[in-house]
Amino acid sequence: QSALTQPASLSGSPGQSLTISCTGTSSDIGSSYLVSWYQQYPGKAPKLIIYGGSQRPSGVSDRFSGSRSGNTASLTISGLQPEDEADYYCCSYPGRLTWIFGGGTRLAVL
Amino acid sequence: EVQLAESGGGLVQPGGSLRLSCVPSGFTFGGASMHWVRQAPSKGLEWVARIWSDGTSISYADSVRGRFTISRDNARNVLFLQMDSLRAEDTGVYYCARDSDYAFADWGQGSLVSVSS
Repeated sequence: QSALTQPASLSGSPGQSLTISCTGTSSDIGSSYLVSWYQQYPGKAPKLIIYGGSQRPSGVSDRFSGSRSGNTASLTISGLQPEDEADYYCCSYPGRLTWIFGGGTRLAVL
Repeated sequence: EVQLAESGGGLVQPGGSLRLSCVPSGFTFGGASMHWVRQAPSKGLEWVARIWSDGTSISYADSVRGRFTISRDNARNVLFLQMDSLRAEDTGVYYCARDSDYAFADWGQGSLVSVSS
C-alpha cells in the first residue's frame, strides 16, 4: 500500500493554531478510525501523541487534538509553542495486520 | 517506566545478514504485541513487522516479507528481528515499539543498520 499523504512542511507563529492533514484512501483512513500521530525531534525516537484518531496518551498536552473526516485525518496543534517544532507523522491501521505511515511533516515555529 | 533497548545493528555487505534484539523493561512483555519500525536516513517512518504477544500471529511489510523474520522469547524477555538478504535500501535506524490500541505507544532509541559494500 502507498504511504499516506502529508504536507512536507508547514510553519506557524507562536500562539497560532495549525492543522496537519493526512490523506489516505477509502481502504485505510476512510475505513478505520485507528489513526495515530507521532512527534519526532531530530536524532530522537518518535513519540506517540494521538491514538485511536483522537485519544491522547497520558502526559500529552491537550493542545494536540486529532480528528478524521472521510479519507483524511488531521492533527491540530493549538497555541503553537517553540518546542512544537519537530517532524510529525500520521499512521493508519486499516485492519489487515499492516500499518501505513504518512511521509511526515516538518513543522517550523517562526 | 517503559524502556526498550535495541542492539545488534552495524555495517553489513549487500546480501548479508544481521539480527537485531530488543530488551524491554517496565511492562509485562509477554502481554504485549511488538513491532519493528525503521527510518532510512533523512526519510520517514516505515512499519516493518509485528508479532502478537504469544507469537502466534506475525505480519510483515511487503518490502521485507520473505527476507526478515520477527520473533520473540517471552521467557527471556527479548524481541528479535532476523534480517537476511540485506539490500542497500534496508539501511536506516530500526526501532522496536510496544503496541497499544494498534498504535506504537513506546519506542526504543533505535539501532543503526548500514548495508554497503
